[in-house]
Amino acid sequence: EPEVTQTPSHQVTQMGQEVILRCVPISNHLYFYWYRQILGQKVEFLVSFYNNEISEKSEIFDDQFSVERPDGSNFTLKIRSTKLEDSAMYFCASSEYLAGANNEQFFGPGTRLTVL
Amino acid sequence: AQRVTQPEKLLSVFKGAPVELKCNYSYSGSPELFWYVQYSRQRLQLLLRHISRESIKGFTADLNKGETSFHLKKPFAQEEDSAMYYCALSGRPGNQFYFGTGTSLTVIP
Repeated sequence: EPEVTQTPSHQVTQMGQEVILRCVPISNHLYFYWYRQILGQKVEFLVSFYNNEISEKSEIFDDQFSVERPDGSNFTLKIRSTKLEDSAMYFCASSEYLAGANNEQFFGPGTRLTVL
Repeated sequence: AQRVTQPEKLLSVFKGAPVELKCNYSYSGSPELFWYVQYSRQRLQLLLRHISRESIKGFTADLNKGETSFHLKKPFAQEEDSAMYYCALSGRPGNQFYFGTGTSLTVIP
């Protein structure tokens, strides 16, 4: 069964450094998402991406964040200058869009980002 | 504002006992409701969605629009049900999911 994959599984970085988190969504899916979960807190939406542009974003997704689909398979989240409070588990998800169909999002295993 | 509330952070039941994980929501419109489960060291995976009205691994969940609830139930808990359970809400296909804070279920042998 196809799955969403994410790399790396763990990333440790120094405050102020740039990080890129990578995701490979399921191949026939059209919607892509990033969520994050700070330890002990709920899973929070960051951004969704459709047709090569951002379709929705939360207030967390400020100018420090960007997303890109650099080729036909990868979907990346970049954090330009990491802060301590960016430490979290970052989940990528994807969904197919068929009018009238269910809305299931398929999640990757997550990347644990630690900012020192 | 959209909100999903799971009042219990931790829930322990004995094997064979009934289990109910509570979920309440607020949303202006007709949302889709989901239950996702995360077993130890595994990814979030879909357990149930309200539109399919199916039973998965013995779990059921009924959408009660009057009470704005979508509680997850199982009549006889099994040890393998021990996991983190998240209730989630979405407005329409392609929209973000709003998650509850999750309930950690432990089934005691």
